Amino acid sequence: QVQLVQSGAEVKKPGASVRVSCRASGYTFTGYYMHWVRQAPGQGLDYMGWINPNSGVTNYAQKFQGRVTLTRDTSISTAYMELSRLRSDDTAMYYCARDSFVDTAIFLDYWGQGTLVTVSS
Amino acid sequence: DIVLTQSPGTLSLSPGGRATLSCRASQFVRSNSLAWYQQQRGQAPRLLIYGASSRATGIPDRFSGSGSGTDFTLTISRLEPEDFAVYYCQQYGSSLFTFGPGTKVDIK
Repeated sequence: QVQLVQSGAEVKKPGASVRVSCRASGYTFTGYYMHWVRQAPGQGLDYMGWINPNSGVTNYAQKFQGRVTLTRDTSISTAYMELSRLRSDDTAMYYCARDSFVDTAIFLDYWGQGTLVTVSS
Repeated sequence: DIVLTQSPGTLSLSPGGRATLSCRASQFVRSNSLAWYQQQRGQAPRLLIYGASSRATGIPDRFSGSGSGTDFTLTISRLEPEDFAVYYCQQYGSSLFTFGPGTKVDIK
């Protein structure tokens, strides 16, 4: 069965960087784009961007341009999200999610369990 | 960029009741790009509806989606205890996803 397993919680100081991993299993990793979404405490879902695991091509939401980097390691079916120059308002749960298609419809059908990143001095 | 607005912000209903949730887009959204997700407290979002009206695998038929253009609706016909949660609409456009702010369905 499809599973996305994320790395554990992180505590970082302002100005630092964080890298979150998302290990995929149960499907062909290079066959589906991986997306990242974050959720601040008590807030809604904030879309960050995607990576094509096959080519490494990425696309970022404007809000995160210049601070987020999505990468992957196909040898271990793992996607990574790195966020730099952390601020206190980056404190959030970070999710990876796989997309899928039915006919021409696109959606996020499998989600990781989330990784809590806390930014505090 | 397309902005999604959801209403109401909170919907207070009783078990067995009918919930009607609205998602309005600032511009035309292709129906195949509109999805709905449910998020229960402390859990990751779960896909409910894709292509505006198709139920995802394993989703009960009390959940239904409709709409087109800029106005979309999620209906829960008879609320079960596990349906009290937050619901998000999402659209895909310009190669990126965007989410609405969510509607919380809570117990009256």
